[in-house]
Amino acid sequence: DAGVTQSPTHLIKTRGQQVTLRCSPKSGHDTVSWYQQALGQGPQFIFQYYEEEERQRGNFPDRFSGHQFPNYSSELNVNALLLGDSALYLCASSWGGLAGGMNEQFFGPGTRLTVL
Amino acid sequence: QKEVEQNSGPLSVPEGAIASLNCTYSDRGSQSFFWYRQYSGKSPELIMFIYSNGDKEDGRFTAQLNKASQYVSLLIRDSQPSDSATYLCALLAQRGSGGGADGLTFGKGTHLIIQP
Repeated sequence: DAGVTQSPTHLIKTRGQQVTLRCSPKSGHDTVSWYQQALGQGPQFIFQYYEEEERQRGNFPDRFSGHQFPNYSSELNVNALLLGDSALYLCASSWGGLAGGMNEQFFGPGTRLTVL
Repeated sequence: QKEVEQNSGPLSVPEGAIASLNCTYSDRGSQSFFWYRQYSGKSPELIMFIYSNGDKEDGRFTAQLNKASQYVSLLIRDSQPSDSATYLCALLAQRGSGGGADGLTFGKGTHLIIQP
């Protein structure tokens, strides 16, 4: 049973560039959430995708956008990169279901983004 | 605004002793609570979740929830050096409708060191 996978593992970009990160959820899961984790901090919620729509968003600017595909995989796009965007980007998958709201989220290995 | 507070540590515990990790939260609407373990340079790994007041045991781990006092704790019995990691407390508020799980709100984590 494959767990949550993310690509790439590491990425180095320069200020002003754009980046796309990818995530495939755990088998049986249909919901993908993205988090940003700065060094020494807990993960911060960016947004969540369910049924190919953004369902909830944290306190992140519009430079952060995403997409979910019919196979439940997801992309996170960040435009106009800033030095402060350097962080570990984590994808978490869960099962949304009809009621939602209580389901455990399992994290992928993350993508380490460095902005120079 | 949801806030999760944890003592950043480090918390040093002798091998074989009980490690006690605590977390307080501000949002009384929080419904479910999660403990994640994160080794340095790795992604968070789900250890336990708890929804109801009281204790929940899983092997050497016990989660305790007191919604009236707004705290949740994690006890690790017979602590091992391999338990040395950062422990993240997270909460999730119930989603009203539309399906999908909410984004987790994390604390900054407690760094636990088990001394051989």
